[in-house]
Amino acid sequence: DTAVSQTPKYLVTQMGNDKSIKCEQNLGHDTMYWYKQDSKKFLKIMFSYNNKELIINETVPNRFSPKSPDKAHLNLHINSLELGDSAVYFCASSQDKTSGEQVQFFGPGTRLTVL
Amino acid sequence: QKEVEQDPGPLSVPEGAIVSLNCTYSNSAFQYFMWYRQYSRKGPELLMYTYSSGNKEDGRFTAQVDKSSKYISLFIRDSQPSDSATYLCAMSATGGFKTIFGAGTRLFVKA
Repeated sequence: DTAVSQTPKYLVTQMGNDKSIKCEQNLGHDTMYWYKQDSKKFLKIMFSYNNKELIINETVPNRFSPKSPDKAHLNLHINSLELGDSAVYFCASSQDKTSGEQVQFFGPGTRLTVL
Repeated sequence: QKEVEQDPGPLSVPEGAIVSLNCTYSNSAFQYFMWYRQYSRKGPELLMYTYSSGNKEDGRFTAQVDKSSKYISLFIRDSQPSDSATYLCAMSATGGFKTIFGAGTRLFVKA
């Protein structure tokens, strides 16, 4: 059984388009994240939700909007895509942050290419 | 200064060598220390997890945390070509919501 899954795995699109990436976890975790990994492999946090509530919102353009319909799902919608948005986007989950458990489990990633 | 510093490598070693991977950090509030392994075109997977100071061993892997020096290490004994991957250190504070990742060290183990 896949613990953290993401769709799609690859996304190739034109500049200016709007696209969404979906994430689901079946681990029963309370906290979910979106990370962006650039070409140099640097992994940077974008957003984090705990029980559907936004708890981390890093300096990310307003064109990026996360949405958590329930604690098992965290989607990422990107408006007006730009060339610089090309990267691999990872979803991750962990147990409730308030308990101190910090270990995160990652999805397989979505490789976004903006042309 | 970055909160977590990690040499990106690449590090190339022959099969069977002992590999030492390291990270330094500046935030003394960090209590949770993780090592993730990431194969090419895959998501990071948790390798080792340590709370506070000390050593932890799991098979060929040993994680060490020296909080006085703000330094963590991952040792791989009898390295194998299948260990070739990028290794990311990560750390966070108790009750904190953010995990900070190092830049990752790319390791190549040659047969």
